[in-house]
Amino acid sequence: QQQVKQSPQSLIVQKGGIPIINCAYENTAFDYFPWYQQFPGKGPALLIAIRPDVSEKKEGRFTISFNKSAKQFSLHIMDSQPGDSATYFCAASMKSNYQLIWGAGTKLIIKP
Amino acid sequence: DSGVTQTPKHLITATGQRVTLRCSPRSGDLSVYWYQQSLDQGLQFLIQYYNGEERAKGNILERFSAQQFPDLHSELNLSSLELGDSALYFCASGAAGGITGELFFGEGSRLTVL
Repeated sequence: QQQVKQSPQSLIVQKGGIPIINCAYENTAFDYFPWYQQFPGKGPALLIAIRPDVSEKKEGRFTISFNKSAKQFSLHIMDSQPGDSATYFCAASMKSNYQLIWGAGTKLIIKP
Repeated sequence: DSGVTQTPKHLITATGQRVTLRCSPRSGDLSVYWYQQSLDQGLQFLIQYYNGEERAKGNILERFSAQQFPDLHSELNLSSLELGDSALYFCASGAAGGITGELFFGEGSRLTVL
């Protein structure tokens, strides 16, 4: 119940394409769903996050779509660029137990 | 720059040795988290401290220990090192009263055990 399942494990997309990374969860008590971006040799950095009371959030070229009934959320990257090549982690947390549950990560490569 | 400082950046040591990794959280952050990331792997949560007290424990080995000091910096001690302990060790901090899940990561300490 505490797991967050992330797919795919790796993804290769041509420049300008729209990579989509999916995550699913079981515990309906989760109330915050962040995405982190990690470049090789660097620490993860918070990219964008959503709460379950909204179905979509956009920040620049990054969009989170949230489906509360299906207990799924996904990250879309519009007009992807080679500089977006990184590992992306979804996560879920609930304030009541202060824990952050991580997905396994998706290694994204954007080909020029 | 996340504001989280980790030292050392790189460390090479031998099996059986002990090392200490240090983390200074962002100014004002009371929570410190330690994560282990092996090559091309995900993030393994080790332990969390909040204002000097242990708050949550993950898959931390008995050979590993951590503490958070009154000035809020934290240290992760790794002893009886094995080859499999080679990894990136990240520290992250979170704001007091802030959103659980909004973490700020340091650049990591890369440990190589030979």
